[in-house]
Amino acid sequence: SQQGEEDPQALSIQEGENATMNCSYKTSINNLQWYRQNSGRGLVHLILIRSNEREKHSGRLRVTLDTSKKSSSLLITASRAADTASYFCATSLPGGGNKLTFGTGTQLKVEL
Amino acid sequence: DTEVTQTPKHLVMGMTNKKSLKCEQHMGHRAMYWYKQKAKKPPELMFVYSYEKLSINESVPSRFSPECPNSSLLNLHLHALQPEDSALYLCASSRSPGTSGANTGELFFGEGSRLTVL
Repeated sequence: SQQGEEDPQALSIQEGENATMNCSYKTSINNLQWYRQNSGRGLVHLILIRSNEREKHSGRLRVTLDTSKKSSSLLITASRAADTASYFCATSLPGGGNKLTFGTGTQLKVEL
Repeated sequence: DTEVTQTPKHLVMGMTNKKSLKCEQHMGHRAMYWYKQKAKKPPELMFVYSYEKLSINESVPSRFSPECPNSSLLNLHLHALQPEDSALYLCASSRSPGTSGANTGELFFGEGSRLTVL
């Protein structure tokens, strides 16, 4: 299975702190994406990084990709209570058509 | 606000019922998806339609029957479900793939239909 494994499974931090989540996957990818899901809601796309990219930024988000280690990290800086959600990485494989496979997810709780 | 609309938001059905979940998008996307998500688990891909044709079926039981009447609509017909099929069913769409057919970009998700099978 190409499903990514995310680490940690759960993370609790104080508002203003940074949150780092890691994703490892098994085979070569076309791109890797990060999504956020508030409890019981749909998923929201955060950022996409292609296999030939190493780092991308979007607002308070920073994503890195290390294809040699088959891993990615998502850093949320200066976290807010509103960042409380589950975060999933998702991988798209070369030649995989429209198939996007989600990792196990990290539950982030940001406390006031 | 999501631009993918799913109805109904909640559905309770018995094991002998026939019901349908509906999904609609008006972004001109030509790929549409059904995912199933159990509590505290990641979404699991069920079906993908590309240009209104079924392109991926992840070995889903036949009691789930997808339909794509046109480029804006996606249905999931449900029949003779089991209690273990209770889950959040998520619809998503994305721009059409390039001619290489292997460039899944950003997915836009609906808010989901929460299904309970009694």
